[in-house]
Amino acid sequence: NAGVTQTPKFRVLKTGQSMTLLCAQDMNHEYMYWYRQDPGMGLRLIHYSVGEGTTAKGEVPDGYNVSRLKKQNFLLGLESAAPSQTSVYFCASSSPFSSGRTDTQYFGPGTRLTVL
Amino acid sequence: RKEVEQDPGPFNVPEGATVAFNCTYSNSASQSFFWYRQDCRKEPKLLMSVYSSGNEDGRFTAQLNRASQYISLLIRDSKLSDSATYLCVVNPGGYNKLIFGAGTRLAVHP
Repeated sequence: NAGVTQTPKFRVLKTGQSMTLLCAQDMNHEYMYWYRQDPGMGLRLIHYSVGEGTTAKGEVPDGYNVSRLKKQNFLLGLESAAPSQTSVYFCASSSPFSSGRTDTQYFGPGTRLTVL
Repeated sequence: RKEVEQDPGPFNVPEGATVAFNCTYSNSASQSFFWYRQDCRKEPKLLMSVYSSGNEDGRFTAQLNRASQYISLLIRDSKLSDSATYLCVVNPGGYNKLIFGAGTRLAVHP
């Protein structure tokens, strides 16, 4: 049981390039989230999904797109990267049907992205 | 005003010390509360949930005061392995979306 995995772990982009970050979870969770974490700031929600085929905007969605074509995967896309998107990106999942606390989020190891 | 505010620290304490972290939140309708732990360059992990009646897990005690919109975490008998950043987290309700504080850094030294 791998939990939540993210690929890649590190990436360096030039301004204007595009890329996709992949998040996968094997816990059969309904909800998935993408966050970014910047120095001195808490994690901020970019987009989230409450089920396969659904997505919604979080606190800081501009410059990002997402897709949830399969329940276990949540993709975060940067169409035209900007230096302001240099950050650590975390994916998380949770389930409203867990046997324990239903609002616990489980995080992936993160992707460190630098945009030059 | 930030939705969840914490003292950023760092708190530098010797092994064996007792240390307390405080957190305030702005949304009075928030439904659930947590402390997460984040080690350097790692992902956040749930440390403990926080209940109105207060709860304890070994050396860790969490308290919630809904009237004051205040959350605390007490660590007794600090260990070197407790060195980390402690994140105060609030669930305002709806799809388990969480609001994170910026974190309080703890450094425990010999």
